[in-house]
Amino acid sequence: GQQVMQIPQYQHVQEGEDFTTYCNSSTTLSNIQWYKQRPGGHPVFLIQLVKSGEVKKQKRLTFQFGEAKKNSSLHITATQTTDVGTYFCAGQLETSYDKVIFGPGTSLSVIP
Amino acid sequence: DTEVTQTPKHLVMGMTNKKSLKCEQHMGHRAMYWYKQKAKKPPELMFVYSYEKLSINESVPSRFSPECPNSSLLNLHLHALQPEDSALYLCASSQDPGILYEQYFGPGTRLTVT
Repeated sequence: GQQVMQIPQYQHVQEGEDFTTYCNSSTTLSNIQWYKQRPGGHPVFLIQLVKSGEVKKQKRLTFQFGEAKKNSSLHITATQTTDVGTYFCAGQLETSYDKVIFGPGTSLSVIP
Repeated sequence: DTEVTQTPKHLVMGMTNKKSLKCEQHMGHRAMYWYKQKAKKPPELMFVYSYEKLSINESVPSRFSPECPNSSLLNLHLHALQPEDSALYLCASSQDPGILYEQYFGPGTRLTVT
């Protein structure tokens, strides 16, 4: 079946270090979204990528969508304790417009 | 108002009980979703409503029954649940079905089935 995978599952970084999570799909995606879920919270939308090769930045966060539209990455520069949480990618398949498939998430811990 | 509200926040129910979860949004969104989330797992899609009609049912057991009374409200009726149904139930909405818009999630209802 269609799957969206993420690596790593967990990442522990020292505050100030960079962090990257990778998202891979077994099939081509029409677009991809990224969400952040704080411990005890609910997913909050971060960004959506639509175009092949697209790169978007939000302050210290950089998002990329692969040329083949099968992979994506989220990079955080100089992590802060406020970055703690689980980051999910969520892909929309070209054949199914009503839903997204969430990746398993990457849980980020930041050591002050 | 960019908020999705859910009630109750917590619910404990026995396996013979009937209860309902409620979700409300006033953003004029025409797509609404129910997700189930287990600890340390991603949200798992259960149902999608598009323009108040059920468009996707992800093979959810019949003990979960969704209802969309109007464009702002979404209910999830629960009956004869099993302990493995204990989870965080998230409601979400988005502007329109079809081309993907961002989903706004509610805070969730944490359900415990005893």
